[in-house]
Amino acid sequence: EPEVTQTPSHQVTQMGQEVILRCVPISNHLYFYWYRQILGQKVEFLVSFYNNEISEKSEIFDDQFSVERPDGSNFTLKIRSTKLEDSAMYFCASSELGTSGGDEQFFGPGTRLTVL
Amino acid sequence: GEDVEQSLFLSVREGDSSVINCTYTDSSSTYLYWYKQEPGAGLQLLTYIFSNMDMKQDQRLTVLLNKKDKHLSLRIADTQTGDSAIYFCAETSRAAGNKLTFGGGTRVLVKP
Repeated sequence: EPEVTQTPSHQVTQMGQEVILRCVPISNHLYFYWYRQILGQKVEFLVSFYNNEISEKSEIFDDQFSVERPDGSNFTLKIRSTKLEDSAMYFCASSELGTSGGDEQFFGPGTRLTVL
Repeated sequence: GEDVEQSLFLSVREGDSSVINCTYTDSSSTYLYWYKQEPGAGLQLLTYIFSNMDMKQDQRLTVLLNKKDKHLSLRIADTQTGDSAIYFCAETSRAAGNKLTFGGGTRVLVKP
């Protein structure tokens, strides 16, 4: 069964460093998403991406964050200068169609980012 | 903005039914979802319901939606130890586009 994969499973970085979290969505999917979950808090939407551009983003997704689909398979989230409060589990998801039509978002296992 | 709330914890004996409750605030919600998260794994969609439905049944799972009270529940019949996980309620609406708004998750512990 096709699945969304994410690497690495755990990333430790120093405050101020840049990190890139990587995701491989399901191959025929057109919509891509990043969510995060700070320990003990809710899963929060960060950004959605369609047709090589951001379609929606939350207030959390400020200038420190960027997303890219560098090739036909990868979808990345970059945090330019990490802060302690960026420590969280980051989930990538993809869907064939948009969720507003009821389509399922398939989630990856997450990358745990720890900022020291 | 939209808000989704769930109770934190549910303990149930194997073979009994589990009922997980969720409330939401967005009256324009169109789809409501239940996701399951097992340790070390991603969020797995269990089922979803369109807002013009009251009930949806899928094998051991029954979803009930009370749109007037903005209350959603997930009933798991004959709960098994493999059902131990965190269950997340989530909603989306046309206004929200493709964004899912999640509840905080209910940790279900199934005791043998």
